Amino acid sequence: DADVTQTPRNRITKTGKRIMLECSQTKGHDRMYWYRQDPGLGLRLIYYSFDVKDINKGEISDGYSVSRQAQAKFSLSLESAIPNQTALYFCATSDLPGYGYTFGSGTRLTVV
Amino acid sequence: GIQVEQSPPDLILQEGANSTLRCNFSDSVNNLQWFHQNPWGQLINLFYIPSGTKQNGRLSATTVATERYSLLYISSSQTTDSGVYFCAGEYYNTDKLIFGTGTRLQVFP
Repeated sequence: DADVTQTPRNRITKTGKRIMLECSQTKGHDRMYWYRQDPGLGLRLIYYSFDVKDINKGEISDGYSVSRQAQAKFSLSLESAIPNQTALYFCATSDLPGYGYTFGSGTRLTVV
Repeated sequence: GIQVEQSPPDLILQEGANSTLRCNFSDSVNNLQWFHQNPWGQLINLFYIPSGTKQNGRLSATTVATERYSLLYISSSQTTDSGVYFCAGEYYNTDKLIFGTGTRLQVFP
């Protein structure tokens, strides 16, 4: 099994729908992150969490929310999806500040 | 905020050629890292290189933190090296990695 698992791998949804992307990890890391990748823009940080009771906004948190259900699980929600949220979404974990990052395989989300 | 610029944005090589990818950052960063995203989208950490030089097979990386840049060298490139290469650095004490926009490498046989 992968160290960081993202579900679903691909998703097409309609504008206005609520959607949740899930991430689970077996690394035992406290730190978890959600990134968004758009062509030509690299990866941008949406939200991050350093433990179960800690949630922080990243660069582009508007339109997104997260839930840290357990050390191993970190979910990203789009409350009302819009087409410009079409992107590749990555979950990542790390064990030390800025070090030892492991990425999931990504979720390709298309909003139509 | 911090800016991480990568050059060149695109690179096309024939198998066997060597290349150098550059990463410039606008402010002091900690924990400079290089990642490779393969054509299937998977991100793999290549180097953790806050300073100095490291080598791993045909790849090596050098970071000169005082001059705010890092270089990734690929020697004797292979088609499996194709993909996008990202550098990323952490703002001082923020525990967040900021990614550059990437260099897209295509290696042809």
